[in-house]
Amino acid sequence: GQNIDQPTEMTATEGAIVQINCTYQTSGFNGLFWYQQHAGEAPTFLSYNVLDGLEEKGRFSSFLSRSKGYSYLLLKELQMKDSASYLCATMDSNYQLIWGAGTKLIIKP
Amino acid sequence: ETGVTQSPTHLIKTRGQQVTLRCSSQSGHNTVSWYQQALGQGPQFIFQYYREEENGRGNFPPRFSGLQFPNYSSELNVNALELDDSALYLCASSWTSGEETQYFGPGTRLLVL
Repeated sequence: GQNIDQPTEMTATEGAIVQINCTYQTSGFNGLFWYQQHAGEAPTFLSYNVLDGLEEKGRFSSFLSRSKGYSYLLLKELQMKDSASYLCATMDSNYQLIWGAGTKLIIKP
Repeated sequence: ETGVTQSPTHLIKTRGQQVTLRCSSQSGHNTVSWYQQALGQGPQFIFQYYREEENGRGNFPPRFSGLQFPNYSSELNVNALELDDSALYLCASSWTSGEETQYFGPGTRLLVL
């Protein structure tokens, strides 16, 4: 079957670092995506990993281990505007996205 | 902004009615995917269209149907609306056989009473 797991909610402090984990089991694999979604808005693209390793993009980094079915999104120097849900999604063998339920990240001053 | 637009932004319908939601893809994109997102959940894949042909379908009943037009804009039609159809409906466009990243429109929030 296909399954994506990520924590439901996390809390972090402004200026700190937070790591959001995602584990997956999917039929076929054509990459893993992270999206950010503010309440009531559409998801916006953050990162894409298809090979193992770390991809860094400014304050955000994403890591993938295909052998472990594991990814994480690392957010540094947290800002209040980073309060949002973070969605992990894998692209299956048909190039369709399978989504996790999202991790709600709460940033406290 | 992604360049993907959707209309209407909000809609209220009653049970049993039919609804058509519209999506205009980002310029140069030939693939559109539709998703249903209930409150507090991740998006659920409804179907995908590639060059006007359905290219995959999720676990949704036949009363959910779609079209993609030659200009790659798209429609999602839902017949015989049920209360559980209340959700945010998202369309996302992408360029298949190249950059696979999907870019989302702002969504249509549908409320079924």
